[in-house]
Amino acid sequence: DAKTTQPNSMESNEEEPVHLPCNHSTISGTDYIHWYRQLPSQGPEYVIHGLTSNVNNRMASLAIAEDRKSSTLILHRATLRDAAVYYCILAYGGTSYGKLTFGQGTILTVHP
Amino acid sequence: NAGVTQTPKFQVLKTGQSMTLQCAQDMNHEYMSWYRQDPGMGLRLIHYSVGAGITDQGEVPNGYNVSRSTTEDFPLRLLSAAPSQTSVYFCASSYSVLGNNYGYTFGSGTRLTVV
Repeated sequence: DAKTTQPNSMESNEEEPVHLPCNHSTISGTDYIHWYRQLPSQGPEYVIHGLTSNVNNRMASLAIAEDRKSSTLILHRATLRDAAVYYCILAYGGTSYGKLTFGQGTILTVHP
Repeated sequence: NAGVTQTPKFQVLKTGQSMTLQCAQDMNHEYMSWYRQDPGMGLRLIHYSVGAGITDQGEVPNGYNVSRSTTEDFPLRLLSAAPSQTSVYFCASSYSVLGNNYGYTFGSGTRLTVV
């Protein structure tokens, strides 16, 4: 199964942009790149996902490398409520969609 | 929409007991899955389903059974509870449209303790 590699932790200041990197060098052509975040004592929350092109939504932007072997989650202006564990996940496409393989994630700390 | 509803929120079992964790979604999602999260760890996939009547094993299926008789419900059965199954369990659902897959919605979890 394709795996992802993320830094264990990152820190940011409030209202500054945050770039969370993810490496997925063994990604296959049908794998979607998903990002979720998890606050303490809560279930994971969907942030954004993409296949090949960069994606934007109200929460964040996802920048995908041209060879798809890495991606970056961009939080444009971090707030204290963005402090969470962020998971970069490859979701198998096609008929196997349903298998999310979580890694350890990146613990994001946001300083006031 | 209520989203993904998991019951119960908390449960204590004795070793050897069986129980069913309930998961229901009202979004007509075809994909559903169960995960467990041990302290300080990421989530691990137990079982998943790509539609009613279709289930498959994930990374850690031993000791758990699932069935998917309806689109809405995906119960997880613990056959004979063991202390190693003490964990937080999350259910999730998702969908696809015209071959495009979308993000997963997770429930709030069931915290299970086996003594």
